[in-house]
Amino acid sequence: GQQVMQIPQYQHVQEGEDFTTYCNSSTTLSNIQWYKQRPGGHPVFLIQLVKSGEVKKQKRLTFQFGEAKKNSSLHITATQTTDVGTYFCAGDDNFNKFYFGSGTKLNVKP
Amino acid sequence: GAGVSQSPRYKVTKRGQDVALRCDPISGHVSLYWYRQALGQGPEFLTYFNYEAQQDKSGLPNDRFSAERPEGSISTLTIQRTEQRDSAMYRCASSLGRGPPADTQYFGPGTRLTVL
Repeated sequence: GQQVMQIPQYQHVQEGEDFTTYCNSSTTLSNIQWYKQRPGGHPVFLIQLVKSGEVKKQKRLTFQFGEAKKNSSLHITATQTTDVGTYFCAGDDNFNKFYFGSGTKLNVKP
Repeated sequence: GAGVSQSPRYKVTKRGQDVALRCDPISGHVSLYWYRQALGQGPEFLTYFNYEAQQDKSGLPNDRFSAERPEGSISTLTIQRTEQRDSAMYRCASSLGRGPPADTQYFGPGTRLTVL
């Protein structure tokens, strides 16, 4: 069956350092979404990538979708303590069925 | 405006009992999803609806799990004869359903189910 793998599982950074999480699918995806979940909270939508090779930016966040539409990454430049949380990717198989990665938990030390 | 709401927020039940979890999506949202999220894991797809039609129920673990959305708005996830392994956070999400591609999913706060 389809799987979405996400690495690393945890990342501890000093405030101001960069952070990257990677998402890999076993099959080609129709599109991929990224979510952020704060401790004790629920997943909150960040962005959706649809096109092969697409790159989107949101302030300090850069999202990429691979050429083969099987992998994606989220990069945060100059992390802040407000970036703390777990980041999930969710791949869509083109039938509105989303496969979430296991998430990368980011901790930022002030 | 109001977001997705779920009730109850916490449910403690004894093994063998049936439970019904409710989801009230954002008004006007066509698509409704149910997920199960174990601690430290990502949400696991269970089922989803467009309007009142259940489009995909392939993620339901077994026939003790069922879901309905009879009027295309509120949805209920029912677990019969609960087992301890059913303990988890059950999350509902809704979206406008304008796709493809699928659009933003708005998650509710979840129902924390504990089966003793």
